[in-house]
Amino acid sequence: QVQLVQSGSELKKPGASVKVSCKASGYTFTSYAMNWVRQAPGQGLEWMGWINTNTGNPTYAQGFTGRFVFSLDTSVSTAYLQISSLKAEDTAVYYCARDFYSSSGLNWFDPWGQGTLVTVSS
Amino acid sequence: DIQMTQSPSSLSASVGDRVTITCRASQSISSYLNWYQQKPGKAPKLLIYAASSLQSGVPSRFSGSGSGTDFTLTISSLQPEDFATYYCQQSYSTPRTFGQGTRLEIK
Repeated sequence: QVQLVQSGSELKKPGASVKVSCKASGYTFTSYAMNWVRQAPGQGLEWMGWINTNTGNPTYAQGFTGRFVFSLDTSVSTAYLQISSLKAEDTAVYYCARDFYSSSGLNWFDPWGQGTLVTVSS
Repeated sequence: DIQMTQSPSSLSASVGDRVTITCRASQSISSYLNWYQQKPGKAPKLLIYAASSLQSGVPSRFSGSGSGTDFTLTISSLQPEDFATYYCQQSYSTPRTFGQGTRLEIK
């Protein structure tokens, strides 16, 4: 079955970096883009951007430029989110979600990874 | 950016009730509207795509309607497992914005 499995929770100190992985299975990885979504504690869903898994070209939403990097390793069907210079306000659950495109051009996020909690605390 | 506004932000209802959640876009998005359900501690799950298409495996008590700027998610007869937070999302343009969520609680 189609699924995305993310890496486990991380506890980091301010100023450190973290790399979250999202391993895809059950479909051709390079046929669908991958999105990243942030959910701060008790808050809603915030789209961070997406990466074209065919070309590796990333697109970042406003507020997620500079310290946030999307990357791929297509040989193992895995997408990565790296966050550098971590701040307390980066504490959140980070989700990857496949961008499913229909033949009509309509699109949606399905499936989602289980989420990775990144906690930034001294 | 397209703003998505859901109403209400929270809702108390009983098992068996019919519930409607509304989502309004700040500009026309045709049928590029999706609905997700999120339970505490879990990832969001796709319920409805393209405004009114039911995702495979989702119970038929869920339905979606609307086009342009105004959309609704309806649960025809609430079940205990439906108490969760619901989000709409536009996929018409980037950034792919979500509504703020509607928390559905047991009365």
